[in-house]
Amino acid sequence: AQSVTQLDSQVPVFEEAPVELRCNYSSSVSVYLFWYVQYPNQGLQLLLKYLSGSTLVKGINGFEAEFNKSQTSFHLRKPSVHISDTAEYFCAVRSGGSYIPTFGRGTSLIVHP
Amino acid sequence: DVKVTQSSRYLVKRTGEKVFLECVQDMDHENMFWYRQDPGLGLRLIYFSYDVKMKEKGDIPEGYSVSREKKERFSLILESASTNQTSMYLCASSLGQGYSPLHFGNGTRLTVT
Repeated sequence: AQSVTQLDSQVPVFEEAPVELRCNYSSSVSVYLFWYVQYPNQGLQLLLKYLSGSTLVKGINGFEAEFNKSQTSFHLRKPSVHISDTAEYFCAVRSGGSYIPTFGRGTSLIVHP
Repeated sequence: DVKVTQSSRYLVKRTGEKVFLECVQDMDHENMFWYRQDPGLGLRLIYFSYDVKMKEKGDIPEGYSVSREKKERFSLILESASTNQTSMYLCASSLGQGYSPLHFGNGTRLTVT
């Protein structure tokens, strides 16, 4: 069975600093990779996805992520965060042929002024 | 844009009551999901449906059932609510292909007293 590990449960950072949220998944032949963001009292919304092609994918709000097949990682990055980026971030993996994604436990990004 | 609507944002029910959580999507998606979200545990899949009247158990189906009589509507039923079912419940939908991301509703925060 697929598993997804988000290595940090909380990441505190100061405004305008860069940030990286880490995600590793167990190996599979083919995977689709997603990052979702959840603002307080809301559902999750898609930040970005990797399906195939270029390993660097860009998403909304200035976020990007890099797919590394050899390290089975899909880390999320932003060069300069804003207070409004404070939220919960979830990494998810869908293995080829499966309808059901596997989610990580989430990383709480806390941006301080 | 896909809209996934959950009928209630907040619900308070008594132990032993039968509880219905309703979810409607407007984009003709084949797949629909019910998750519960608890602090530190991330998202856990309760049930999944890939077609009308078709359902599969997720990771934590005990104490829950589902109904999908129409493609756009997926209901979660708590047969006899218990205090350990106090949680945030999230509904999601997606197209049938594995590369399709999930679209989430805003969640229902259920409190069982």
